[in-house]
Amino acid sequence: NAGVMQNPRHLVRRRGQEARLRCSPMKGHSHVYWYRQLPEEGLKFMVYLQKENIIDESGMPKERFSAEFPKEGPSILRIQQVVRGDSAAYFCASSPNGAYEQYFGPGTRLTVT
Amino acid sequence: EDKVVQSPLSLVVHEGDTVTLNCSYEVTNFRSLLWYKQEKKAPTFLFMLTSSGIEKKSGRLSSILDKKELFSILNITATQTGDSAVYLCASISNTGNQFYFGTGTSLTVIP
Repeated sequence: NAGVMQNPRHLVRRRGQEARLRCSPMKGHSHVYWYRQLPEEGLKFMVYLQKENIIDESGMPKERFSAEFPKEGPSILRIQQVVRGDSAAYFCASSPNGAYEQYFGPGTRLTVT
Repeated sequence: EDKVVQSPLSLVVHEGDTVTLNCSYEVTNFRSLLWYKQEKKAPTFLFMLTSSGIEKKSGRLSSILDKKELFSILNITATQTGDSAVYLCASISNTGNQFYFGTGTSLTVIP
């Protein structure tokens, strides 16, 4: 049973470009969470999704950031018009229905130049 | 504002030592507290604590929650170099779906 997969593992974007981060949850998991980890800071919650639904996006910046978890395929975190301050490690985690135990992916390290 | 505070921020010990990591929380409608170990990559789940005073153990690691004083501790006995990592605690509430993470305790175990 493969764990949570994220790709790409490293992503370099110039200011103003778009970044797309993908997360495939563990088999049988329908809940996905996205987190951002900045240097010297803890993991910060961004958004919680179930299949085709955004349940809680209160941690997501209001502009430029969006997330989806379609019926088929991975969850996508999309950052438009990236800025230097978006440089961070972005982790996704999945959990089975109704469980609080989360399994994390290896993260995507985004660098904005 | 809900928050989780961990201490110490970093710790260096020798192999064989016992360490205690602390996590205090202020979370509205608290439900559970979780501990994770983060090495170079993704955090891996260690414990989930929901009830006060009940110790959870896994090998040399153990953890307990005090819901009256709003804190948890993670103990590691007979530390090994492989225990070197950042240890994160996170709290979750009944009303939200958010996990509030602390900034972590960086543990270094030297031979």
